[in-house]
Amino acid sequence: GENVEQHPSTLSVQEGDSAVIKCTYSDSASNYFPWYKQELGKRPQLIIDIRSNVGEKKDQRIAVTLNKTAKHFSLHITETQPEDSAVYFCAASRPGGGNKLTFGTGTQLKVEL
Amino acid sequence: GAVVSQHPSRVICKSGTSVKIECRSLDFQATTMFWYRQFPKQSLMLMATSNEGSKATYEQGVEKDKFLINHASLTLSTLTVTSAHPEDSSFYICSARAPTGGYNEQFFGPGTRLTVL
Repeated sequence: GENVEQHPSTLSVQEGDSAVIKCTYSDSASNYFPWYKQELGKRPQLIIDIRSNVGEKKDQRIAVTLNKTAKHFSLHITETQPEDSAVYFCAASRPGGGNKLTFGTGTQLKVEL
Repeated sequence: GAVVSQHPSRVICKSGTSVKIECRSLDFQATTMFWYRQFPKQSLMLMATSNEGSKATYEQGVEKDKFLINHASLTLSTLTVTSAHPEDSSFYICSARAPTGGYNEQFFGPGTRLTVL
């Protein structure tokens, strides 16, 4: 089955700096890669996603890049703000099999003033 | 976007009792719902895939007789934790895949915090 690895497990940045979180996946058939932000005790919230036919996607301060050959994808947050502090999860999904998501292990991002 | 609700949001029960958690899609029909379990400071682990009108598909290592899933309608799936024990204490989250949501996007419920004493 799919295996998704995520690094780093914790990330501390100064307000205004950029943050980068990286994930690798094992199943070359995976074609959908969402990123979720989860605050303590809350549901995961989709912040951006990318499909395998695209190499990069950007939405304001958030961008995701995908390298299908290397089977890795990354989340980039620019101009970080304290409210960006949360746990971020990457995930991967392949067609069929119910299109279930396999999640990475999560990154605790802390944006310091 | 699509809205998914869960009930209850928090439940405390005694060891040996059963607990039922409901997951509803409020403004769309979900042929497929997913149940996840999340322990503190850990990732979401898929427990099972729930398909309307058919038996759920359980992930390896998840006891289907302990975690009963029923998906009786296109808007409701239930998870029953039978004979709950303290090690079942966790955050249970459901999600639903909307047919018009595009690709494989899933919409998550707010989660249910289960504490077994």
